[in-house]
Amino acid sequence: DADVTQTPRNRITKTGKRIMLECSQTKGHDRMYWYRQDPGLGLQLIYYSFDVKDINKGEISDGYSVSRQAQAKFSLSLESAIPNQTALYFCATSDSRLAGADNEQFFGPGTRLTVL
Amino acid sequence: GQNIDQPTEMTATEGAIVQINCTYQTSGFNGLFWYQQHAGEAPTFLSYNVLDGLEEKGRFSSFLSRSKGYSYLLLKELQMKDSASYLCAVGTDSWGKLQFGAGTQVVVTP
Repeated sequence: DADVTQTPRNRITKTGKRIMLECSQTKGHDRMYWYRQDPGLGLQLIYYSFDVKDINKGEISDGYSVSRQAQAKFSLSLESAIPNQTALYFCATSDSRLAGADNEQFFGPGTRLTVL
Repeated sequence: GQNIDQPTEMTATEGAIVQINCTYQTSGFNGLFWYQQHAGEAPTFLSYNVLDGLEEKGRFSSFLSRSKGYSYLLLKELQMKDSASYLCAVGTDSWGKLQFGAGTQVVVTP
């Protein structure tokens, strides 16, 4: 079974709809992240959370919100989707107890979101 | 601001060597990671450098010069399966945050 899972894997929605993307992990990591990826722009950090009680904005948080329901679950919401939020969304996790190369981020398989 | 630059695309022949350069200017530095990403898939970790010098892992090596804000990833004995995007990412603080470059698409031809 995958250590970091994302649902749904693909979603097509319309402008103005509320969308929730979910991320779950079985790695026991405390840190979780949401990124979006657009062609030619690399991965941009939307929100990150270092534990259940800690939520922080990333570079591009406008139009998004998150919820850390448990250490293993981190959800991303688009309150009113717009076409320029069409992108590939990745969840990632890392372990604050580890340093150096062991502090790598592990990525989920991604959610491809299309907003019409 | 944060700035990480890497070439957009490189093409090389199967069996050859390719070097992907990455230059960075970031507000903090806590290590440099290289990730491999096949089309439509998740990035996967390749290598990590925090001290100056070369780290070798099989066919892949990564080099870092902190004073120059420069790293490279060297891919040797290229195989078709190495066709992918390679992402340079800088750890910018002690909290595990990463700043990613846009990625370099490597195309391996027969």
